[in-house]
Amino acid sequence: DSGVTQTPKHLITATGQRVTLRCSPRSGDLSVYWYQQSLDQGLQFLIQYYNGEERAKGNILERFSAQQFPDLHSELNLSSLELGDSALYFCASSGTGFSYEQYFGPGTRLTVT
Amino acid sequence: AQTVTQSQPEMSVQEAETVTLSCTYDTSESNYYLFWYKQPPSRQMILVIRQEAYKQQNATENRFSVNFQKAAKSFSLKISDSQLGDTAMYFCAFMILRGATSGSRLTFGEGTQLTVNP
Repeated sequence: DSGVTQTPKHLITATGQRVTLRCSPRSGDLSVYWYQQSLDQGLQFLIQYYNGEERAKGNILERFSAQQFPDLHSELNLSSLELGDSALYFCASSGTGFSYEQYFGPGTRLTVT
Repeated sequence: AQTVTQSQPEMSVQEAETVTLSCTYDTSESNYYLFWYKQPPSRQMILVIRQEAYKQQNATENRFSVNFQKAAKSFSLKISDSQLGDTAMYFCAFMILRGATSGSRLTFGEGTQLTVNP
């Protein structure tokens, strides 16, 4: 158990809908990262937040947005869903100082039908 | 842009034997970390081992060790005394050191599916 929690574990929804994925980082970690794992794109970095502020952006679609709240949990919002958005979405967290290791949550499996 | 390449999509090894997974990367940066992550059938991403680019000594974690060749931009993972529980997808990953506050994304390779046979 990495200490990172993600809910829900599975999500099935229809095209055009909007969903919210939730992540709670390890206790004490200030950074939260979101990654997408799909069959055709592999594992891709989406976005990073540090202590509530966006710090880095990757290949995140404009239909996707994220935020990190004062209690450090993070939410990834996916809207106008398309079939191609079906993927495993991971959240990871890391601490401060000299430790750059990222610890991953169990992921949320999103299926768009 | 940084790229990570794993040229072996699949590998297999007999239980108790040793196997080496290959990884190469491309970067113009000098300060970075390299990682190996394991993804078993449960799909959980598990950190196996990390290597700091400034360290010449290769990292080891129990049965897992790396061969880091900075000049060749090569970072292979050796698994000794392979166990059935080592069956998983293994991802090589790269991170530029910019500090936790400035953005430290992981760039992953395509993965190598390792099967340990009894």
